[in-house]
Amino acid sequence: GQQVQQSPASLVLQEGENAELQCNFSSTATRLQWFYQRPGGSLVSLLSNPSGTKHTGRLTSTTVTKERRGSLHISSSQITDSGTYLCAMGPTGGNNKLTFGQGTVLSVIP
Amino acid sequence: EAAVTQSPRNKVAVTGGKVTLSCNQTNNHNNMYWYRQDTGHGLRLIHYSYGAGSTEKGDIPDGYKASRPSQENFSLILELATPSQTSVYFCASGLGGSNTGQLYFGEGSKLTVL
Repeated sequence: GQQVQQSPASLVLQEGENAELQCNFSSTATRLQWFYQRPGGSLVSLLSNPSGTKHTGRLTSTTVTKERRGSLHISSSQITDSGTYLCAMGPTGGNNKLTFGQGTVLSVIP
Repeated sequence: EAAVTQSPRNKVAVTGGKVTLSCNQTNNHNNMYWYRQDTGHGLRLIHYSYGAGSTEKGDIPDGYKASRPSQENFSLILELATPSQTSVYFCASGLGGSNTGQLYFGEGSKLTVL
């Protein structure tokens, strides 16, 4: 089946530093999404990016479908950015069936 | 704001007992999903549904049933709960069709099977 690998597994940053999270997937997915999970809580969709580069606020998602990889760049990290970032890939079609990676745990310290 | 509500939020069950996790969404979304989240495995899809009356098997359906009696409600049923089903369960809803895949998740239901 489809597999999604995320790296690093965890990351500690000082407030203000930038973060780069990586996602590699096993098939030529046509949709790559990033989710944020607050500690002990639910998931929130951040970005959906099938290919190329997309920006929203301090987040930049880059997906290179042919190379089966994507990344999420967080600029000027804040303490409230702490939590788990999950990458998910999906097939074509509208069933939104997603395969998730195991996540990167980000800790931003003062 | 899209809303997905799960109940119960916490449940302790005994081995062999029946457990029903309920999910309600007020978004009028066609698609609904049940995932479980475990350390080392991330989120894994158990069952999903395209609309009222439909249920489909996800990647790990064994030991689980699902029911979608209406557009708003999607239940996950463990007829004979086992300790290996101890996990955090998340329900999600989405428009489906040509949408870009925006999913809305509930707050999660923590299940402990003793």
